[in-house]
Amino acid sequence: DAGVIQSPRHEVTEMGQEVTLRCKPISGHDYLFWYRQTMMRGLELLIYFNNNVPIDDSGMPEDRFSAKMPNASFSTLKIQPSEPRDSAVYFCASSSPGQGFGNTIYFGEGSWLTVV
Amino acid sequence: AQSVAQPEDQVNVAEGNPLTVKCTYSVSGNPYLFWYVQYPNRGLQFLLKYITGDNLVKGSYGFEAEFNKSQTSFHLKKPSALVSDSALYFCAVRDRNYGQNIVFGPGTRLSVLP
Repeated sequence: DAGVIQSPRHEVTEMGQEVTLRCKPISGHDYLFWYRQTMMRGLELLIYFNNNVPIDDSGMPEDRFSAKMPNASFSTLKIQPSEPRDSAVYFCASSSPGQGFGNTIYFGEGSWLTVV
Repeated sequence: AQSVAQPEDQVNVAEGNPLTVKCTYSVSGNPYLFWYVQYPNRGLQFLLKYITGDNLVKGSYGFEAEFNKSQTSFHLKKPSALVSDSALYFCAVRDRNYGQNIVFGPGTRLSVLP
């Protein structure tokens, strides 16, 4: 059974360039989450979707960040323009509502972004 | 608001000895508690969770955790540590008043010494 699939795994880009991170959630999961991991701030939620609709985007840092979920099997996180402080590991995760609030969130392997 | 504390940045234990990784939480209602493990350059892997019922929860790789409501704690334990258990461990909590998100603690790095 395939887990959460993220691409690219690693990306190095120059400041000012657009970055697009991609995610395919586990089939049948209707919650999708984007997290960011840094040494300074740890793991923080950026945004999450339910049935392709954004539910909570209060963690999105600023207007340079945007996330979309055009269908149940695909989501993107875009940074435009990118800045060195955006360097981090970006995780996509998904869950199903089967156990209500007790459901487990499953993580992808992450996209390691470096902005120079 | 929901929050999680992991009071130890680093835990060192000898192989074969029991290990404990501590976690305390704060929520406004009943907590849903989770432990995840992260190996170098990898994503987070789910270990176990507490939803309701028995306070002792058993999970993957021989790990278990004990829920203590009065102390608002959810410590991770293993009777006999392996070198391969060396990794970063995250405790997390969900408060149903704040939706489906889970909030993570800062992580504890476990080093098991041969």
